[in-house]
Amino acid sequence: AQSVTQLGSHVSVSEGALVLLRCNYSSSVPPYLFWYVQYPNQGLQLLLKYTTGATLVKGINGFEAEFKKSETSFHLTKPSAHMSDAAEYFCAVSANTGFQKLVFGTGTRLLVSP
Amino acid sequence: SAVISQKPSRDICQRGTSLTIQCQVDSQVTMMFWYRQQPGQSLTLIATANQGSEATYESGFVIDKFPISRPNLTFSTLTVSNMSPEDSSIYLCSVEIGGRTTSNEQFFGPGTRLTVL
Repeated sequence: AQSVTQLGSHVSVSEGALVLLRCNYSSSVPPYLFWYVQYPNQGLQLLLKYTTGATLVKGINGFEAEFKKSETSFHLTKPSAHMSDAAEYFCAVSANTGFQKLVFGTGTRLLVSP
Repeated sequence: SAVISQKPSRDICQRGTSLTIQCQVDSQVTMMFWYRQQPGQSLTLIATANQGSEATYESGFVIDKFPISRPNLTFSTLTVSNMSPEDSSIYLCSVEIGGRTTSNEQFFGPGTRLTVL
């Protein structure tokens, strides 16, 4: 079974500051890992995903995440926050053995102040 | 990727009534999913809907409460039956493209915001 823990329901940063959103996963098999973003009153948009290969994954809007198996983590980072990054961010996991459903974390709301 | 639309985008309903939510995809997909996102919460999978077979429901969700149709490869409906205020949520449909050969990546519709009075 898979599960995801997102530390911090809210993260506040200043515009231009580093963004770090934490995600730890639990999986009995090698995982697929995802970060989705949800802007107000919208559906979810895929930011990036890790399947196999390179552990540092680059996504849209300048975000990246690093898969660290030893730490069972997949933290999301962006070097410089922009006001438009304010949104809800969800980490998700699935097993990499054929089709498996996505299991979502509880989400982290990113607040960006000028 | 896929472009997914949902109707209605939002609705306010009375207790005891039912609402059918439509999900339309711009390409043929094998697997469609319905999620519920309660206020301030994460996404919870309600069921998986494959064309030509009965929907598969997750623990805590039953067909009588959330009947699902999947008449073809581009369309699905979710009905929320006999609604109560506890059903007030955002309901999202999603699709997976490519089936078992992909990374289980899902594309999401914009959601239907339901308020039950």
